[in-house]
Amino acid sequence: GNSVTQMEGPVTLSEEAFLTINCTYTATGYPSLFWYVQYPGEGLQLLLKATKADDKGSNKGFEATYRKETTSFHLEKGSVQVSDSAVYFCALSAGSGTYKYIFGTGTRLKVLA
Amino acid sequence: DVKVTQSSRYLVKRTGEKVFLECVQDMDHENMFWYRQDPGLGLRLIYFSYDVKMKEKGDIPEGYSVSREKKERFSLILESASTNQTSMYLCASSPTGTGGQNYGYTFGSGTRLTVV
Repeated sequence: GNSVTQMEGPVTLSEEAFLTINCTYTATGYPSLFWYVQYPGEGLQLLLKATKADDKGSNKGFEATYRKETTSFHLEKGSVQVSDSAVYFCALSAGSGTYKYIFGTGTRLKVLA
Repeated sequence: DVKVTQSSRYLVKRTGEKVFLECVQDMDHENMFWYRQDPGLGLRLIYFSYDVKMKEKGDIPEGYSVSREKKERFSLILESASTNQTSMYLCASSPTGTGGQNYGYTFGSGTRLTVV
């Protein structure tokens, strides 16, 4: 079946450090891939997405590239800020016309000043 | 500002009570979803709906039911609340994309339910 695996957290970084949060997936067909962010006490917000192989999603300095050959969609940011502290979820939607998403377990990021 | 509104942020109910969680979206989205979020388990899909009066079971529907009488409203019902249903409940909606394209979910702020 379809699944998403994220690196376990928490990830603790100093401000301005480089961030990578790993995400790999298993899916049949051609899934769309997403990263969501959840700030404390809030629901999830869409951060970025990619709908086909080699697409790069980007938003607010975050990037992720859809790698079909390695079934990965790693989240990166060149210089994190304290305000980036949150939980990050990788998700997939398994193919065109499918609107159910499968989420990873989430990775907590803590950025220290 | 478009949004998904969940009726309560925090709720405390007794074991055996019937519990209603309400979700309303103002974006004219066709698709609506209920997830529960638990530490270490991520988000798990309870029920979803692609149209008015339509519902489908997700991965963990046991102990829950849903109602969608109007396009903008999707209610989650706990028929007889139990302590193992203590969780964060998240409602989400999404449009039906042209050609099946996925635009992503818009989530509500969540309802933290405690069953005692």
